Amino acid sequence: QVRLQESGPGLVKPSETLSLTCTVSGVSVSSYYWSWIRQAPGKGLEWFGYIYNSGSTNYNPSLKSRVTISIDTSKNQFSLKLSSVTAADTAVYYCARLLPHGNHFDYWGQGTLVTVSS
Amino acid sequence: SYELTQPPSVSVSPGQTASITCSGNNLGEKDASWYQQKPGQSPVLLIYLDTKRPTGIPERFSGSNSGNTATLTITGTQPMDEADYYCQAWDSSTVIFGGGTKLTVL
Repeated sequence: QVRLQESGPGLVKPSETLSLTCTVSGVSVSSYYWSWIRQAPGKGLEWFGYIYNSGSTNYNPSLKSRVTISIDTSKNQFSLKLSSVTAADTAVYYCARLLPHGNHFDYWGQGTLVTVSS
Repeated sequence: SYELTQPPSVSVSPGQTASITCSGNNLGEKDASWYQQKPGQSPVLLIYLDTKRPTGIPERFSGSNSGNTATLTITGTQPMDEADYYCQAWDSSTVIFGGGTKLTVL
């Protein structure tokens, strides 16, 4: 059974870097595409980008300048870094598996709330 | 940039058919997916590749995609189907989500 679990600080100060990790169980992270998606309170879903294989990435152009997604195959994890955060980055952050045939997300983590505040 | 447009809300009576639309330029040429999200929960994949249901998704959920519109249809809507629904597609190597539709069953 595939499971994804987000972890990281729930509170980040403005201008700092948000860092989250997604731990995957049930499959190898080396074998699939993985994404980060967020949802601001009461809002819709926003995609950050994906990573696959040895670390090839593709980012949402609207966030690309601030986003880094990386992978640690030894820990079966992948991570998100979002720099220069503001209150507008307050959201629930989800990690998810992306299937390239159909480009859809079949497994999601439970999500983690990150609040940006001083 | 590419956009997907959904109605903010749709209402349906229990047992009736609900249709939620998702509009985008030539969306019918892309693969559309649909997700259901209940309050406090993660999104759940309902439909992928326009019409396919993952294992475990009830048959009352179906999808279509043609022209500029993808449609999620819920036949025999149940109170448990009250949720937010999001369409999703892929354009220029970027994942796009619709703004979401709140389905009310009353």
